[in-house]
Amino acid sequence: AQKVTQAQTEISVVEKEDVTLDCVYETRDTTYYLFWYKQPPSGELVFLIRRNSFDEQNEISGRYSWNFQKSTSSFNFTITASQVVDSAVYFCALSEWIYNQGGKLIFGQGTELSVKP
Amino acid sequence: ETGVTQTPRHLVMGMTNKKSLKCEQHLGHNAMYWYKQSAKKPLELMFVYSLEERVENNSVPSRFSPECPNSSHLFLHLHTLQPEDSALYLCASSLGTSQETQYFGPGTRLLVL
Repeated sequence: AQKVTQAQTEISVVEKEDVTLDCVYETRDTTYYLFWYKQPPSGELVFLIRRNSFDEQNEISGRYSWNFQKSTSSFNFTITASQVVDSAVYFCALSEWIYNQGGKLIFGQGTELSVKP
Repeated sequence: ETGVTQTPRHLVMGMTNKKSLKCEQHLGHNAMYWYKQSAKKPLELMFVYSLEERVENNSVPSRFSPECPNSSHLFLHLHTLQPEDSALYLCASSLGTSQETQYFGPGTRLLVL
């Protein structure tokens, strides 16, 4: 069965520290997609990244970077020089393909990141 | 308005009330979703609509009734809810249902007394 595990329930850092959020997934599909979403206190899930299983190139977007390791089934997310505005719950998700239904997102439990000034 | 909008943002209702949640997407997408997010639990997919047809219903109790009159609008009709139905209800949309990115609205925080 498809599964996403975010082992870190809560992380607390001080501003300007780097922080890595872990995500480990399980799937039998050969083609799949991985996602990261940010949920600030307002509640809306903000899309951050979508990664195809065939593309193992790491990605950097400003202070955000993602490390995709197919060999260890991990898709970790690093925030460099964290800021208070980064405080939020971060969700990792895996897209599962179901015949006749299409894609379905499997979410991890989320990691609550608190960045203190 | 841009993206995905949801109204109301907050709702308090009694167990005998009937209310509706509304979702509207301005992205030209063809698929829309309802999710439930309870405290300390992962997001639960409730319903999926593709081109206004329901393609998935994850064994959701009949006190939740979805409606998708067109590809831009999605409703969730609520009646005789229970206190355990108190949660954040999130709407999302995507271009299709083939593993495309889902874009979420701000959610409706529902409290059932």
